[in-house]
Amino acid sequence: DQQVKQNSPSLSVQEGRISILNCDYTNSMFDYFLWYKKYPAEGPTFLISISSIKDKNEDGRFTVFLNKSAKHLSLHIVPSQPGDSAVYFCAATYQPNDMRFGAGTRLTVKP
Amino acid sequence: EADIYQTPRYLVIGTGKKITLECSQTMGHDKMYWYQQDPGMELHLIHYSYGVNSTEKGDLSSESTVSRIRTEHFPLTLESARPSHTSQYLCASSETGASYTFGSGTRLTVV
Repeated sequence: DQQVKQNSPSLSVQEGRISILNCDYTNSMFDYFLWYKKYPAEGPTFLISISSIKDKNEDGRFTVFLNKSAKHLSLHIVPSQPGDSAVYFCAATYQPNDMRFGAGTRLTVKP
Repeated sequence: EADIYQTPRYLVIGTGKKITLECSQTMGHDKMYWYQQDPGMELHLIHYSYGVNSTEKGDLSSESTVSRIRTEHFPLTLESARPSHTSQYLCASSETGASYTFGSGTRLTVV
């Protein structure tokens, strides 16, 4: 039962443009959402998170939006840079030790 | 520098061999996790631990076992490796359970 879904396996954008990565979830109990970034041959690293009491959280070039009614969150990267090329995982949790991850979206930012 | 270490990074081993994947963290985190990930698929939780002498199985059925004799060490053992165990294994730790720090992973190939 895949409770967190990233339906786009890959995304390609031009340097300087906006990257939008999407994530849908099915469990309405989730109250905390995270994005992780993963480079090849490395483990995922925490990027940004959002609590269910908010609908937006911003950290530099990265902004996460949460639409609870649609059970949807998105990660916006503006402007995109070649170093942003990686696999991005969406994750959700509502209790410790029960974090669910999506399958990831591979972002390629072209110079 | 606080970090989480996994060894080996890559392992190719024959069917039927016993293997132990090592995971150590220097952050003093009580919570530790093992995830299994196949390419293009979500991370699946296979084991977790709340602290010393505490271990639990995750969602994904796994023939592996874990131990937690020391806070910093959370090794995963496969008694008899099979080709179906070929995957990437990611270890993570957390102070609160809300955000994880991942190791670089072990890519296991069983031939």
